Amino acid sequence: AQSVAQPEDQVNVAEGNPLTVKCTYSVSGNPYLFWYVQYPNRGLQFLLKYITGDNLVKGSYGFEAEFNKSQTSFHLKKPSALVSDSALYFCAVRAMNNAGNMLTFGGGTRLMVKP
Amino acid sequence: GAGVSQTPSNKVTEKGKYVELRCDPISGHTALYWYRQSLGQGPEFLIYFQGTGAADDSGLPNDRFFAVRPEGSVSTLKIQRTERGDSAVYLCASSLGVASYNEQFFGPGTRLTVL
Repeated sequence: AQSVAQPEDQVNVAEGNPLTVKCTYSVSGNPYLFWYVQYPNRGLQFLLKYITGDNLVKGSYGFEAEFNKSQTSFHLKKPSALVSDSALYFCAVRAMNNAGNMLTFGGGTRLMVKP
Repeated sequence: GAGVSQTPSNKVTEKGKYVELRCDPISGHTALYWYRQSLGQGPEFLIYFQGTGAADDSGLPNDRFFAVRPEGSVSTLKIQRTERGDSAVYLCASSLGVASYNEQFFGPGTRLTVL
């Protein structure tokens, strides 16, 4: 079975400061890892993914994430937060050999960026 | 281009009634997924189609839930004898192909409320 943990229900950060949203995963074999963002009353929007290669992945809106195999983590980061980044963020995993192709999501982390 | 669309955006029904939720995937996407998102939680996998066939329906909670994709494009999620516990946002997603590294693109969801 595969699982994702997002240990923080909410992260508060001041505008202009760096932000980190944490994610750890459990999967059999090598993982594919994804971050999605959800704004109120809207569907999930894809931010970035890790497939293979460079452990630092860059995505939309200035976000990046670092894959750490030894710590089974895929934390989302941004050097300078914007108020407009305030939203619900979901980490998701899929095993490389997952025939079902389903994504397993974490419970989500609400990011609040204050001016 | 057009994204994934879902209709209706909101559906209120009474306990015991039958409902149908529709998903129109991105043109050319062969894989289609249904997820259910309860309040305060991440999306949970229901069923996955590759073409017209359900490749994995292991996430369907019971036999009251059924989904079809007769022509390999539009899909309908059908719920019989609805129960209050079925209330959730039902999300549809599509992806370009079966490869596990393909990101899924989500629709805005249908909010189902069972009274």
